[in-house]
Amino acid sequence: NAGVTQTPKFRILKIGQSMTLQCAQDMNHNYMYWYRQDPGMGLKLIYYSVGAGITDKGEVPNGYNVSRSTTEDFPLRLELAAPSQTSVYFCASSFHDSSSGNTIYFGEGSWLTVV
Amino acid sequence: TQLLEQSPQFLSIQEGENLTVYCNSSSVFSSLQWYRQEPGEGPVLLVTVVTGGEVKKLKRLTFQFGDARKDSSLHITAAQPGDTGLYLCAGHLYNTDKLIFGTGTRLQVFP
Repeated sequence: NAGVTQTPKFRILKIGQSMTLQCAQDMNHNYMYWYRQDPGMGLKLIYYSVGAGITDKGEVPNGYNVSRSTTEDFPLRLELAAPSQTSVYFCASSFHDSSSGNTIYFGEGSWLTVV
Repeated sequence: TQLLEQSPQFLSIQEGENLTVYCNSSSVFSSLQWYRQEPGEGPVLLVTVVTGGEVKKLKRLTFQFGDARKDSSLHITAAQPGDTGLYLCAGHLYNTDKLIFGTGTRLQVFP
């Protein structure tokens, strides 16, 4: 059972470089999320998507972009990496409808360092 | 601006003590969840509360959702070293699809 898969797990970037964090889920979930977590802190919502072709900003979207061309994939792009983007990034997914609960499934996290 | 504030931020106690963690907001949430996170891993769901005033128990853990659905608490009875971790509340903002996390409470239980 793959669940939510994030790649890469670790990455070091130089200031100004670009990269994409990949996220894929195989549970046919309609909702997907990207969060960042700084050491010892809670998670902050970057972007989220309620279905293919739909994305919305979260609490801290600046410096990031997302796309949701398929139900399965929700990549997060950093265009011009800055030291402030050093963090652990978590992708998550859930299934929402009017009757079900909304258990969130998290990926294992991607550790990003910008130097 | 942090929508969900948790208190205390840090808590260090002896095994056997009781504790309460609070999650407060000025916003209304359609549901609220509590998670526990171990170092190097993603958060793991403990409970979801959806009705104002709802109380749920999970062994030694008691969760309460405020009547106005703006706050929640987690009470642990007779804490054990295995309870050590980062506790996070998270809520779905009313009439939105956003799942917002709280600031976190780091709990350390000493034997």
